[in-house]
Amino acid sequence: DQQVKQNSPSLSVQEGRISILNCDYTNSMFDYFLWYKKYPAEGPTFLISISSIKDKNEDGRFTVFLNKSAKHLSLHIVPSQPGDSAVYFCAASARGGKLTFGQGTILTVHP
Amino acid sequence: GAVVSQHPSWVICKSGTSVKIECRSLDFQATTMFWYRQFPKQSLMLMATSNEGSKATYEQGVEKDKFLINHASLTLSTLTVTSAHPEDSSFYICSAGAGASSDGYTFGSGTRLTVV
Repeated sequence: DQQVKQNSPSLSVQEGRISILNCDYTNSMFDYFLWYKKYPAEGPTFLISISSIKDKNEDGRFTVFLNKSAKHLSLHIVPSQPGDSAVYFCAASARGGKLTFGQGTILTVHP
Repeated sequence: GAVVSQHPSWVICKSGTSVKIECRSLDFQATTMFWYRQFPKQSLMLMATSNEGSKATYEQGVEKDKFLINHASLTLSTLTVTSAHPEDSSFYICSAGAGASSDGYTFGSGTRLTVV
């Protein structure tokens, strides 16, 4: 039972354009959502998070949008840079802090 | 910011031997540590939740006698893979938090285990 889903295994974007990474969830108890960036053979690095009481959170080039009615969140990166190329995981938690991860999306930003 | 150190970063061992992986919070006290496992091209799967001074809580399907977790102090948790087999080969990652979900969690750099 995959409670957090990232249906796009990969995404390719031109440098300078917007990258939009999507994530869907099924558990209505989730109240906190996070995005992580991961390079091969390394641990995930926290990028940005959003609480269920908000619908948008912005940090520099990264913005996360949350649509609770659709149980959908997205990460927007603009402008995209080659250094953004990595695997992006969305994760969700329900109060207790135990994270449930999506499958990840490989982002490739072409110069 | 918070730093979590995980050691070793990679290890190769023979079948039947045990391997210990350490996870340390360097500049904060981690009341809770999590251990994840990641297979190639798959998501991070939570194995167990480790609380300082108490027994770990294992996720369904994870053998507690095979994956021994010890969280003896607020800065150190260890995962021991006992009697390792080739199917235990994977990428193991720990994360640590000070308790509040709004803080997010800091991850270690991961350990690549290969059992031959």
